[in-house]
Amino acid sequence: NAGVTQTPKFRILKIGQSMTLQCTQDMNHNYMYWYRQDPGMGLKLIYYSVGAGITDKGEVPNGYNVSRSTTEDFPLRLELAAPSQTSVYFCASSYHADQPQHFGDGTRLSIL
Amino acid sequence: AQKITQTQPGMFVQEKEAVTLDCTYDTSDPSYGLFWYKQPSSGEMIFLIYQGSYDQQNATEGRYSLNFQKARKSANLVISASQLGDSAMYFCAMRVAGNQFYFGTGTSLTVIP
Repeated sequence: NAGVTQTPKFRILKIGQSMTLQCTQDMNHNYMYWYRQDPGMGLKLIYYSVGAGITDKGEVPNGYNVSRSTTEDFPLRLELAAPSQTSVYFCASSYHADQPQHFGDGTRLSIL
Repeated sequence: AQKITQTQPGMFVQEKEAVTLDCTYDTSDPSYGLFWYKQPSSGEMIFLIYQGSYDQQNATEGRYSLNFQKARKSANLVISASQLGDSAMYFCAMRVAGNQFYFGTGTSLTVIP
């Protein structure tokens, strides 16, 4: 099993550009999450989804959008990239909120 | 406000000794879950252990145990018989109502041979 796959692994954006971070899981998990991890800090929840067609905001949703058209995919969209969005982004999935989350390898994003 | 606090930025432990990593939390939700994750230098996040707010017994997973003291709102991770491979960042996390998750700032553990 591939688990949770994130693409790309690294990306450099210019201020004002847009991009989509891809996340796919093959474990048939209902719950999916997007986090950002700033240097020396813990993870902060951006958005989450409890199933296809259902998404909700986390602690730091501003500047991001998500969609969940299938169980497998949960892309994160950055519109009008800003330097404050420079971070490592992790996608995760789980069967249920109180089950272990399986994480992707992360996307390191720099905005210059 | 929901909050997770890890007050130990860095810890050292001798190989084969036990170590306790501290975590306190703050929530008014009666139902919540507490997690510990390990992040090695390679960057991936690895689940270690889970404790539900209604669980009567402390969770254990191999060399990991969670010392859950509900009245004190603490959920400390105990690692027994430390190994060199335990050197990593350790994060405490909390799930509250509405599937919101909050992570602490982490503790860097170094195991000394």
